[in-house]
Amino acid sequence: QQPVQSPQAVILREGEDAVINCSSSKALYSVHWYRQKHGEAPVFLMILLKGGEQKGHDKISASFNEKKQQSSLYLTASQLSYSGTYFCGTERPSARQLTFGSGTQLTVLP
Amino acid sequence: DTAVSQTPKYLVTQMGNDKSIKCEQNLGHDTMYWYKQDSKKFLKIMFSYNNKELIINETVPNRFSPKSPDKAHLNLHINSLELGDSAVYFCASSQAHYEQYFGPGTRLTVT
Repeated sequence: QQPVQSPQAVILREGEDAVINCSSSKALYSVHWYRQKHGEAPVFLMILLKGGEQKGHDKISASFNEKKQQSSLYLTASQLSYSGTYFCGTERPSARQLTFGSGTQLTVLP
Repeated sequence: DTAVSQTPKYLVTQMGNDKSIKCEQNLGHDTMYWYKQDSKKFLKIMFSYNNKELIINETVPNRFSPKSPDKAHLNLHINSLELGDSAVYFCASSQAHYEQYFGPGTRLTVT
């Protein structure tokens, strides 16, 4: 079952912060986050395994609430290069595949 | 060096034809995937495959078949192409459950 992402789209000015949410109705083993720029392939950002671990990568970080089956991606002090569509991919314990959300289109304006 | 490569990059064909898309990874990964991304950007898993197991998404028509000559290659063969098959197809690879590396995509247009 496809995870639900919100918001569908967000527009920011450079330097502003954003949060993208991903929720599942099923128990999860892991959550992946990817960014896709127009006309390009998705690029891996980070993976979170069950356990509520928060990960960071420059000014992009993420958390995973195992009890709520929710993950959030935090983008702080956004840069123009952050523009793109962000996808969360969820993996259930019994599966060997990711199911991706419908994506969040992020636009950062100067 | 390209980690995951796909050929061709563009494919235009007529309804009813059979076509193949090739994928190669040089990362030494044990698992490869095929995804379909439609015009609404929805990224849908079609297959995952390692040298032990093929997992087929139940919604994939049996006109689509993955073929793996070896661990580094996973090709996608499509029979009797339909208009609705038009999309971008991405190949990806990973080591077990970890991060997936995507190929550049193949834009398939069925006329």
